[in-house]
Formats: sequence, structure tokens, C-alpha cells
Amino acid sequence: AQSVTQLDSQVPVFEEAPVELRCNYSSSVSVYLFWYVQYPNQGLQLLLKYLSGSTLVESINGFEAEFNKSQTSFHLRKPSVHISDTAEYFCAVSGATGGGNKLTFGTGTQLKVEL
Amino acid sequence: KAGVTQTPRYLIKTRGQQVTLSCSPISGHRSVSWYQQTPGQGLQFLFEYFSETQRNKGNFPGRFSGRQFSNSRSEMNVSTLELGDSALYLCASSLAQAALNTEAFFGQGTRLTVV
Repeated sequence: AQSVTQLDSQVPVFEEAPVELRCNYSSSVSVYLFWYVQYPNQGLQLLLKYLSGSTLVESINGFEAEFNKSQTSFHLRKPSVHISDTAEYFCAVSGATGGGNKLTFGTGTQLKVEL
Repeated sequence: KAGVTQTPRYLIKTRGQQVTLSCSPISGHRSVSWYQQTPGQGLQFLFEYFSETQRNKGNFPGRFSGRQFSNSRSEMNVSTLELGDSALYLCASSLAQAALNTEAFFGQGTRLTVV
């Protein structure tokens, strides 16, 4: 069985400050990890993913996440946030018995960027 | 390339009724997954279809069912609606066959309200 824990339900931060959204996972199989972002009344958009290879992955809008196998973590970071980053962020792990596509999500972290 | 299209966007139904939601995946994608999002339970996996076959199923009662057509379009049906079925229902499409590491693209969701 797989599970994802997002330790913070809400993270307030001032614009241009750095932020870290925490994510820990547990899985008995090979791990594929994702961060999705959800804006109000919208679906989920993929922010970045770890499939294999380099443990540091980056998105096109300045976010990065590092896969840490020993700590079973996949924390999301951004060195300087913008007001437009205000949204809910979901960490997810991929896997399903017998193959197929199934994402197990964390409970989400609401990032609120303030001026 | 068109994204994942879900119809309708909003729906209001009465307890005891049934409802059918539709999802058109990205062209060429053969895997369609459904998720339920509620404030209390977060994002929960309902089921996944690949090439018209249900490949994975979450822990939902039999009132929740789905199907996939030969053109990969999918529908999900909820019978005997309960107030607790009020949620945002998200559809995701993937290119993958049996791999676990393929990106899922989400639609904007159908907001179902049961009164």
C-alpha cells in the first residue's frame, strides 16, 4: 500500500520570500512522485515529477523538488514566490497492484502568498 | 492538442437520482482515471479504464460505476445519489499502458451538488 503525508495544511508566506512545502511518502514498490497544483475551481496541473535519474527536478516556473529515498521525502521548494503562486499543492505517488495508473494523493497544502 | 474535456462542468441533482458524467481524454490517450475530491476526504481514486477494460478500482460502493468506449471516451455513473456524493469529480488521461510512471493530465472537473 502507498500513502502520502503533507505535513502542512496551510502555508502563508510573503511575496519574494522562499517557501518549502513538505511531502513524505511510503511505498512498497518503485516510486514515482509528482507535485500537482490546483487553482480555484480548476482541475489539477502537473508541476513536476520524479521518475528516475537525477533526484533534483525542476519546473519551468521556478519550483524544484528533491527526491530523498533515505528520508522518504519529496519536498517542494521555491526560492522566491509570487502572488500568482497562491494555490493548493498536492503531492502524489503513482502505483497500483498489477500495473496501471493510480495516483495516491496527500491532503494538500494551501499556499497563500501575501504582499 | 486539446486537453481533457469533462462535461458538464456543474450539475445539481436530488437525493436518490442517478447521474452520468463524461470525460473525453487527450487524443491518443487510452487510459482514463476518475477521482473524487471533497473537503473532508481529499482526492480519492475511483477507477481506471484502459482499452475499454477496468484496470483498477478504488474503495467506493457499487453505486459508482464507469465504462470506456472504443474511442477512449469514458463515463462514470452514480446511482441512488446521497448528499455525501457532492464533490468535484476529476478525470485524468494518460498515454501509458502498464507503466506506473506516466504523467496524468486532468480535466477541469465536474462539480456535482446533491440536494
